[in-house]
Amino acid sequence: DVKVTQSSRYLVKRTGEKVFLECVQDMDHENMFWYRQDPGLGLRLIYFSYDVKMKEKGDIPEGYSVSREKKERFSLILESASTNQTSMYLCASSLSTGHGGYTFGSGTRLTVV
Amino acid sequence: GEDVEQSLFLSVREGDSSVINCTYTDSSSTYLYWYKQEPGAGLQLLTYIFSNMDMKQDQRLTVLLNKKDKHLSLRIADTQTGDSAIYFCAEKDSSASKIIFGSGTRLSIRP
Repeated sequence: DVKVTQSSRYLVKRTGEKVFLECVQDMDHENMFWYRQDPGLGLRLIYFSYDVKMKEKGDIPEGYSVSREKKERFSLILESASTNQTSMYLCASSLSTGHGGYTFGSGTRLTVV
Repeated sequence: GEDVEQSLFLSVREGDSSVINCTYTDSSSTYLYWYKQEPGAGLQLLTYIFSNMDMKQDQRLTVLLNKKDKHLSLRIADTQTGDSAIYFCAEKDSSASKIIFGSGTRLSIRP
């Protein structure tokens, strides 16, 4: 069964910590995306990548960075976690051909205390 | 920029049909999607429709597309308690790999 795997389901970190959220897909998808989801704000795109070592800013990149060293893995980095980064983080991937619909991971609920 | 809008809430009685509506602004949309999100989970692709189609049916799901009015709807026949979820409308144009999502419609089922 093809899928997108996020390394942690729940994470609690302290303010100021560097946080890594990992995402791995086994579908050989070119495109990968990181979103955060907050009540009343819907899905907001943080960063995305169309290829290995490529990255593009989404709508809310401030306070985040990403790394894509291998095609199957897309990491989201919170350089210095803050309480306003407490959220549900969703990773997704897609093909560049066909209907291009995303496959999502199960999400990581991050709490920064 | 592109925008996708949908109502926030819908409540239906178990066994009735649910109709979730969506409007979008991008006239060059190529694919339109419906995603389902159950509590505490990621989004699951329910169905999609290509922009040259008016309707797509898949078991209890019917998608209607009115390209002139930029209106998309999802009908769920014989709604069950397991259909309780947030439903996201989304669109993509052929030149992009990025999908634009609506804010989601929370569907609740009354007994």
